[in-house]
Amino acid sequence: DSGVTQTPKHLITATGQRVTLRCSPRSGDLSVYWYQQSLDQGLQFLIQYYNGEERAKGNILERFSAQQFPDLHSELNLSSLELGDSALYFCASSVGARSSYNSPLHFGNGTRLTVT
Amino acid sequence: KNQVEQSPQSLIILEGKNCTLQCNYTVSPFSNLRWYKQDTGRGPVSLTIMTFSENTKSNGRYTATLDADTKQSSLHITASQLSDSASYICVVSLRDDKIIFGKGTRLHILP
Repeated sequence: DSGVTQTPKHLITATGQRVTLRCSPRSGDLSVYWYQQSLDQGLQFLIQYYNGEERAKGNILERFSAQQFPDLHSELNLSSLELGDSALYFCASSVGARSSYNSPLHFGNGTRLTVT
Repeated sequence: KNQVEQSPQSLIILEGKNCTLQCNYTVSPFSNLRWYKQDTGRGPVSLTIMTFSENTKSNGRYTATLDADTKQSSLHITASQLSDSASYICVVSLRDDKIIFGKGTRLHILP
């Protein structure tokens, strides 16, 4: 068990809708990262928060947004959903602002989003 | 362009056999390289990590090698078990904090 909790595990929704994915990082970890994994694709970095502040941005669409709350949990909001947004969304956490030799990313088990 | 290429894309072997997965990267400036194991429906879990000064690192039946000159890494699995069926992802970290993921090798172990 990585200690990273993601909810819900599965989400089925229709095109045009809005959903919120939730992540609780491992105890003591200040960074939260969001990744998207589509079928047969590698993990695509979306965004990173460190101690409540946005630290790095990847290929995140304007329809997507995220935030990290004072208790360090994070939410990823996906709006105006399209069929192509169907994917596994992973949250990862690390102790520091950057993943380092002694501070690997710890991944949750993901939220599987299906847009119909 | 920073890229991490893995081969083969998928691999099927019999239980008890050995196998080697490959990772080639073209990233700069290099910091470290990790291999992750991702079971179906689960998040990736770190297996090994190496910096440019480390040539080999073992974790049980998993042995990773790194050739920083040719920018190649391999993950060797010895005496495979059914539980080794998973995707294996090569991940390279850069000194500017970027993390580049390979697409993974899907390994199937047959009884």
